[in-house]
Amino acid sequence: QTVVTQEPSFSVSPGGTVTLTCALSSGSVSTSYYASWYQQTPGQAPRTLIYNTNIRSSGVPDRFSGSILGNEAALTITGAQADDESDYYCVLYMGSGTVVFGGGTKLTVL
Amino acid sequence: QVQLQESGPGLVKPSGTLSLTCAVSGGSTSSSNWWSWVRQPPGKGLEWIGEIFHSGTANYNPSLKSRVTISVDKSKNHFSLELSFLTAADTAVYYCARLNLDWYFDLWGRGTLVTVSS
Repeated sequence: QTVVTQEPSFSVSPGGTVTLTCALSSGSVSTSYYASWYQQTPGQAPRTLIYNTNIRSSGVPDRFSGSILGNEAALTITGAQADDESDYYCVLYMGSGTVVFGGGTKLTVL
Repeated sequence: QVQLQESGPGLVKPSGTLSLTCAVSGGSTSSSNWWSWVRQPPGKGLEWIGEIFHSGTANYNPSLKSRVTISVDKSKNHFSLELSFLTAADTAVYYCARLNLDWYFDLWGRGTLVTVSS
């Protein structure tokens, strides 16, 4: 089974920019994988940030953006704020009606 | 506004079967979406379990496929999860979620903790 890999942890300074990535164990991520990104804080359900690679979900600040960088999907946070400190998950569509979550990235803002 | 609400036992025995239901309010299970289940073991990441369309077509995570059944009851406007042959590794918060036709989760339930223990 294909594994989707994210950085286990990342740190960013307040006001800084950070790019989290989502990679396949085999092959390159393209727009055909319909990459989506979710933010989760402890004890809460995930919140949808980005879908179809780069479309922001309703109400999501424009400091969050999605893209394809090289052969990976990417989530960039520009001007990080304290309340961006969360876990971030990507999801890729693998075809035949199946999706896979990445392992998640724990983002620290300090 | 569409909302999802999970319900079911919070404690189940090893080797038993977990049964959860997700009630859909403010919307219809007959809409063109995949109705899904996702779980999260304590302190770990999210895992997609499977999904069902209103037609009854279902897709499952290959790693769980032999133990999972997802069904939909359009008359009751809910969908359900059954996971059999439980072990402690199945202890998790179970979320129901709506998977859009563009293959992203656009709506989530609050989640329900299921503990597998004797």
